[in-house]
Amino acid sequence: DQQVKQNSPSLSVQEGRISILNCDYTNSMFDYFLWYKKYPAEGPTFLISISSIKDKNEDGRFTVFLNKSAKHLSLHIVPSQPGDSAVYFCAASEPGGTSYGKLTFGQGTILTVHP
Amino acid sequence: NAGVTQTPKFRILKIGQSMTLQCTQDMNHNYMYWYRQDPGMGLKLIYYSVGAGITDKGEVPNGYNVSRSTTEDFPLRLELAAPSQTSVYFCASSRGPEAFFGQGTRLTVV
Repeated sequence: DQQVKQNSPSLSVQEGRISILNCDYTNSMFDYFLWYKKYPAEGPTFLISISSIKDKNEDGRFTVFLNKSAKHLSLHIVPSQPGDSAVYFCAASEPGGTSYGKLTFGQGTILTVHP
Repeated sequence: NAGVTQTPKFRILKIGQSMTLQCTQDMNHNYMYWYRQDPGMGLKLIYYSVGAGITDKGEVPNGYNVSRSTTEDFPLRLELAAPSQTSVYFCASSRGPEAFFGQGTRLTVV
């Protein structure tokens, strides 16, 4: 039973355009959502997060949107750059305390940004 | 600032052998985790610790053991290596919801 799903294995975008990565979840207990970026042979790097009490969080070129009723979140990258090419993981956690960092990950989406 | 450091980076084990994957963090984080990532899949939690002396199982603990004697170190032990344990292993630490990951250990069991 996959509680966090990223249904698009890959996404190809032209430099300067918008990249939209999607993520769905099934566990209603999740209250914090994160996006990680991963380059080959490196560990995941935290990118941006959002609490369930918000519907949008923005950090520079990266914006995460959360639709709780649809159990869906998305990551927007504007404008996309070739250096953004990586695997992007959506992750979720249940309420804090001992659940901190106990993340449930999606399968990842490979983003390729073409010059 | 080193962050989370994992050793070794690569290892090949024979079936039935044992090994310990080392993980240390210098951020004074209370929470530490071990994840594994299989090809084409997301990361899955093996074990975690909320502080020195306290550990608990994650989603896929079978075949592994951990200990947490200090805040900094969280080694992962494989006792009888099996081909199903071929994977990339990531150690992570956190103070809050955002976990910081090491570079990973690529383990192959043959």
